[in-house]
Amino acid sequence: DVKVTQSSRYLVKRTGEKVFLECVQDMDHENMFWYRQDPGLGLRLIYFSYDVKMKEKGDIPEGYSVSREKKERFSLILESASTNQTSMYLCASSSPLRLVNTDTQYFGPGTRLTVL
Amino acid sequence: LAKTTQPISMDSYEGQEVNITCSHNNIATNDYITWYQQFPSQGPRFIIQGYKTKVTNEVASLFIPADRKSSTLSLPRVSLSDTAVYYCLVVTNAGNNRKLIWGLGTSLAVNP
Repeated sequence: DVKVTQSSRYLVKRTGEKVFLECVQDMDHENMFWYRQDPGLGLRLIYFSYDVKMKEKGDIPEGYSVSREKKERFSLILESASTNQTSMYLCASSSPLRLVNTDTQYFGPGTRLTVL
Repeated sequence: LAKTTQPISMDSYEGQEVNITCSHNNIATNDYITWYQQFPSQGPRFIIQGYKTKVTNEVASLFIPADRKSSTLSLPRVSLSDTAVYYCLVVTNAGNNRKLIWGLGTSLAVNP
């Protein structure tokens, strides 16, 4: 079974702190993703990476950065946390097919971040 | 670009068949449709994926009409444990990249 793990299930930080969320996958997947999930807004893509040291902005990248130094690890960084970044953060990985548009994603359990 | 629209919520009773429809009017030729299930405090998990006509696995069926502008996830004889949020996803091309078009999710409540 694919396993995607996230460093924390719950995290409480203060406004202005730098926050690191870590994600590790064990299936040698090329793609990794960071989402945030808020009530009524579904899954919103923050950043994704299709290879080591590569990153692409998703739909809501403002206030976030990412790092992918190793294939299995994808980090989300909040440079200066703000209260509007209180949310559930979900990491996912996938190994996409080349010729068709499909992407079976495997998700971690999520990190519920509260910024006070 | 494809946009996915699905009902916000649905109610059902144990033993009934539940059908959740997602509309994706601008789906492109190479785009597949995928459905995910999410329980509280967990990440979404893959249920089923299809391109056209009908796909069935041990969990669900997926019906896609010829024009592919919608898809229907069918859950046979639901139980209380099927209470979850169900998301449809269309992956499409946007320039040189792929773009993920998620629906906002349908919250299914199965009642005893």
